Amino acid sequence: EDQVTQSPEALRLQEGESSSLNCSYTVSGLRGLFWYRQDPGKGPEFLFTLYSAGEEKEKERLKATLTKKESFLHITAPKPEDSATYLCAVLSSGSARQLTFGSGTQLTVLP
Amino acid sequence: DGGITQSPKYLFRKEGQNVTLSCEQNLNHDAMYWYRQDPGQGLRLIYYSQIVNDFQKGDIAEGYSVSREKKESFPLTVTSAQKNPTAFYLCASSASGPTSQLSTGELFFGEGSRLTVL
Repeated sequence: EDQVTQSPEALRLQEGESSSLNCSYTVSGLRGLFWYRQDPGKGPEFLFTLYSAGEEKEKERLKATLTKKESFLHITAPKPEDSATYLCAVLSSGSARQLTFGSGTQLTVLP
Repeated sequence: DGGITQSPKYLFRKEGQNVTLSCEQNLNHDAMYWYRQDPGQGLRLIYYSQIVNDFQKGDIAEGYSVSREKKESFPLTVTSAQKNPTAFYLCASSASGPTSQLSTGELFFGEGSRLTVL
């Protein structure tokens, strides 16, 4: 059974204070790891796909990295508008081939 | 603008009543999904459909039903058999279904429907 664990559950940062969110996973054959951003009361919005260990993707202040067991979402010099819940999900080559989501990290960036 | 439209945004239901949540997409996507989101938990898959007139149960299908009569539409009915229906429901679509070799795992989500049972 695929499993995704995100940590920490919640993170409060001061504006400009860089940090990282963690997503650890166990899957039977990773086809892809995905990061989504979710604002309160809204649906998740796709950010990145990572396919293999060593791969990195960047978008503005966000950079996602992938190893064989975990992914990190690095946030550099965050701004208050980066406040959201960040969700990690994996797609495996197992029989279900469905996305398995983590429970998310709620990020708050204080001005 | 292309996207997914869910309605209603908020819905209140009395115990014993069935309710139907609407989901429409104009992205020309083949696959559509329904997820349930509860506080502190990851999104859980209720049902998905890869083509018209076909759908598959997800991890928590009990107490729910769906139909896919048109490519654009994938309504979800929460029946009275669902023991704990209060939740945030999310509809999503993707260009190809999860069992397709073309599947990328990139989902497009609607804004969600919040169901509260009184």
